[in-house]
Parts: sequence; C-alpha cells; structure tokens
Amino acid sequence: EAQVTQNPRYLITVTGKKLTVTCSQNMNHEYMSWYRQDPGLGLRQIYYSMNVEVTDKGDVPEGYKVSRKEKRNFPLILESPSPNQTSLYFCASSPRSGGEQYFGPGTRLTVT
Amino acid sequence: DAKTTQPNSMESNEEEPVHLPCNHSTISGTDYIHWYRQLPSQGPEYVIHGLTSNVNNRMASLAIAEDRKSSTLILHRATLRDAAVYYCILRGFSYNTDKLIFGTGTRLQVFP
Repeated sequence: EAQVTQNPRYLITVTGKKLTVTCSQNMNHEYMSWYRQDPGLGLRQIYYSMNVEVTDKGDVPEGYKVSRKEKRNFPLILESPSPNQTSLYFCASSPRSGGEQYFGPGTRLTVT
Repeated sequence: DAKTTQPNSMESNEEEPVHLPCNHSTISGTDYIHWYRQLPSQGPEYVIHGLTSNVNNRMASLAIAEDRKSSTLILHRATLRDAAVYYCILRGFSYNTDKLIFGTGTRLQVFP
C-alpha cells in the first residue's frame, strides 16, 4: 500500500532532550516536506526537500534540522526542544514539482 | 510567496452541492491550484488540483476563473463525511523551490 509513515505518533519529552521524528514514504517520491499545525495558525511548512541531499527552509525552520540521505526517508530533528515546539507535525511527499502531496498520519509532540 | 484567501467557515445540508471559494490574486503563471481537506484527527488529504482548465475527479470538481485569480471547489452532493477543513494552496512548478503556504482553510459543516 502506498503510504507515508511517521514515528512516533505520540511523544512527550522534556526541554532540551534531543529527539528525531522519522518519516518514510514507499512511493519513490522526490519531494518531501515537514509541517507543523497549531490551533488558529493552520499548517506551516518547516523544511522541504526536492531530492536526496537537497533541503531548504520553509516558513518556520527555527529550532529544527532535517536530512535527506535516502530518497524514502526525511527525518525531522529537534536538537534542543522547547515548549513552543509542542505541536502536531505532518510529513508529506510528492512525486513532482507542482504535483499532489500525500500526508502522513501526524506526530503529536509535547515538550514540557 | 503567493497566498490564498478563504472564508473561515461554511455550512451545507446533506446531499446539497457545496461551492467553496478561494481567492489567489497574486497567482503566477506556473502556480498550480491545489485543494486538500483535513478530517478531524487525520492528516490532510489531497482532493484535486489544476492549472488553467476546470478539473473533475471522483471526489470533487475544480472551477478556475479565466484570469486564474480565484477558484471554486465543488462538492456535488455533500455527505456528513465531507465535514472537514478545506485548504486551497498554490504550488508552483519550479526547479528551485517547493516552499508552500497553507493558510487556515475553510471549515465546512454538513448538517443532516
């Protein structure tokens, strides 16, 4: 089944403890993105990748890192999480520029 | 970055058609108009996209104004399962960037 998977789905952590949220797609898509969703603010793009080893900042990249070493994986790294990064995170992939995006199920992160 | 404007909320009765508007006056020639929807507790789901001509698929129809500065997502017969937040975004065809702005979308309520 074609899909985007994220792990973990739920995570509660403490300020400053490094964490990684994984994202994987099995559709051989070149484009991948990370978004965060907060009440009243909608979806905001954090980082995107247009191919292996090609990443760039979205609208709200501060406090996040990403890497794209393989086509299928696009992990989101929080080196030193803070409470303002408590949010619902979505990963998405797309087969081409301008094309449709497929979203993962989301990861709910709480930083205390 | 090209932005879209949508009403915050709309209501419909079951089995009636629904027309969800979107304004995108700063659209560029290479921007595709995308629609996604997000059901409660789920990730966004692709609905439809188009460039210039009207588009139909099994989920909905997309009507694009001749000047491309606005578009309308049409659900031909609303069901209770169509209650969701609908996002209209512009996604450009580009070799240099995949930056996207989602906005807060339109919350559609469907009444039995």
